[in-house]
Amino acid sequence: EAQVTQNPRYLITVTGKKLTVTCSQNMNHEYMSWYRQDPGLGLRQIYYSMNVEVTDKGDVPEGYKVSRKEKRNFPLILESPSPNQTSLYFCASSPKQGRGGYTFGSGTRLTVV
Amino acid sequence: SQQGEEDPQALSIQEGENATMNCSYKTSINNLQWYRQNSGRGLVHLILIRSNEREKHSGRLRVTLDTSKKSSSLLITASRAADTASYFCATDVTGFQKLVFGTGTRLLVSP
Repeated sequence: EAQVTQNPRYLITVTGKKLTVTCSQNMNHEYMSWYRQDPGLGLRQIYYSMNVEVTDKGDVPEGYKVSRKEKRNFPLILESPSPNQTSLYFCASSPKQGRGGYTFGSGTRLTVV
Repeated sequence: SQQGEEDPQALSIQEGENATMNCSYKTSINNLQWYRQNSGRGLVHLILIRSNEREKHSGRLRVTLDTSKKSSSLLITASRAADTASYFCATDVTGFQKLVFGTGTRLLVSP
């Protein structure tokens, strides 16, 4: 089944403890992106990747890192999480940016205490 | 600020009725897309309409695009309780490598 898989689904962590949210797609998509969703603010892009080893900042990149060493994987790294990063995170992919709709993962609900 | 703004923010209808949601945007686009999100779950792509298209259909969905007014509408005909969800428009903005999402319309379809 064509899908984007995110893990974990839920995560509660403490301020400052590094964490990684994994994202993997099995559709050979070139484009991948991370969004966060907050009430009243909608979905905001954190980082995106046009292809392997090509990443760039979105609208709200502060406090996040990404890497794209393989086509299928696009992990989101929070080096020192803070409570304002409590949010619902989504990974998405598409064949190429501008070609077709995005396939979204099921989301990761992160709480930083 | 958000590129796409949906209207209304919330809509409550009975099963069998039609639901219409509107989206306005600000800048030139390559295409506009609509997504559905069930509570707290991932977004599901519904339909894409390119900037040179004016109307598109998919099953019970009808999307229109008016680039002169920078607006789009999503019509769901003969709605069902299972259509209860939030609906987002997203614009593929010319020159940018991303989709920009609006804040969504919450649709409640009562049996």
